[in-house]
Amino acid sequence: GQQLNQSPQSMFIQEGEDVSMNCTSSSIFNTWLWYKQDPGEGPVLLIALYKAGELTSNGRLTAQFGITRKDSFLNISASIPSDVGIYFCAGQLGAQAGTALIFGKGTTLSVSS
Amino acid sequence: GAGVSQSPSNKVTEKGKDVELRCDPISGHTALYWYRQSLGQGLEFLIYFQGNSAPDKSGLPSDRFSAERTGGSVSTLTIQRTQQEDSAVYLCATKEFLSGNTIYFGEGSWLTVV
Repeated sequence: GQQLNQSPQSMFIQEGEDVSMNCTSSSIFNTWLWYKQDPGEGPVLLIALYKAGELTSNGRLTAQFGITRKDSFLNISASIPSDVGIYFCAGQLGAQAGTALIFGKGTTLSVSS
Repeated sequence: GAGVSQSPSNKVTEKGKDVELRCDPISGHTALYWYRQSLGQGLEFLIYFQGNSAPDKSGLPSDRFSAERTGGSVSTLTIQRTQQEDSAVYLCATKEFLSGNTIYFGEGSWLTVV
């Protein structure tokens, strides 16, 4: 099925470092979303982006909807051990609320203290 | 319950057997999605239900996969004649139709085909 190109695949960082990950697509998306998945649980929404160029923050997390509508990035500042997990980007192709979300393959984040 | 409930949480089955995975959505959520997550992979869209509309089945990988949603609530994903490559986590997610994009995931059903 369709997937987004998400990178990097994994990251190993020290506590306190900043992190950046991104997603690209050949298709235009109307919505970009970022999810985090902890082991054994379903993904949880972190940030939702609805407009090209939009920059949104949620605590130490910042995400942007690319101007071309074909990419998005997520930054985590001053990482802490509980940031460990898999981060997924997701895009929604259609303008209707019911269109399925397409997910990237995820970025696995490891934080050492 | 308060969240999306999936059962079984773990299932080990022999190759060739049929399996059924169940999803109980959050009350009032009319949109329901099934995704598959293989080891090290992202979330692969399988099927989407919205109210009484015909489901979007465009993500089902083969005709061995089918899903139903009875009464607009509980959904069952059925995999017939399971193969080893079907081993994955099957995630259900639901949301209110017009409430933006906050979809809520269940904890998944871990399927292992041996």
